[in-house]
Amino acid sequence: AQTVTQSQPEMSVQEAETVTLSCTYDTSENNYYLFWYKQPPSRQMILVIRQEAYKQQNATENRFSVNFQKAAKSFSLKISDSQLGDTAMYFCAFMKLDTGNQFYFGTGTSLTVIP
Amino acid sequence: SAVISQKPSRDICQRGTSLTIQCQVDSQVTMMFWYRQQPGQSLTLIATANQGSEATYESGFVIDKFPISRPNLTFSTLTVSNMSPEDSSIYLCSVAPSGALSYEQYFGPGTRLTVT
Repeated sequence: AQTVTQSQPEMSVQEAETVTLSCTYDTSENNYYLFWYKQPPSRQMILVIRQEAYKQQNATENRFSVNFQKAAKSFSLKISDSQLGDTAMYFCAFMKLDTGNQFYFGTGTSLTVIP
Repeated sequence: SAVISQKPSRDICQRGTSLTIQCQVDSQVTMMFWYRQQPGQSLTLIATANQGSEATYESGFVIDKFPISRPNLTFSTLTVSNMSPEDSSIYLCSVAPSGALSYEQYFGPGTRLTVT
């Protein structure tokens, strides 16, 4: 079974600063995808960024980037120039390729951006 | 990305009753999923809603408690049956679009259910 661990239940960051959220996962699979989702107080889950395991290059989407370390099974999210709108729960998710898109989610990190 | 709506957005129900949650997508999608998010918790997959056949349930979830329908490629329903306070959760529908991005999932806004 796949497990996804987010060891930081809560974090805070000053506006305009940079913050890194941690995620580790456990799998014996070689082909998979990793995702970060954001869930603001409105509770709408929003895809932030995705990473294909076969790609060595770290994914980047504007102010969001990941540090993907496949051997270490680590997938951290870096948010640069933090904005008040980044305040949300952040979930790390893992998906095997051959299981009909089944996602495994971590327990989440609550991020607060302080003005 | 797909636009997903859910009805109702929230409800308060009495124990022993049932509630049916609807999920509507603005485009045809191959796969639809139902998740439960208990208060302060992460998301847990309940089942995959298969078009034209019975849903595929995850361990710990059964059809009698969570019957699911998927009559076409844009619509699904989840029923929470014989509710108890432990069923109080947010229920989310998600979809995996067809084609090149089929490995992604997009989520509806969720239905907040409170059982008294």
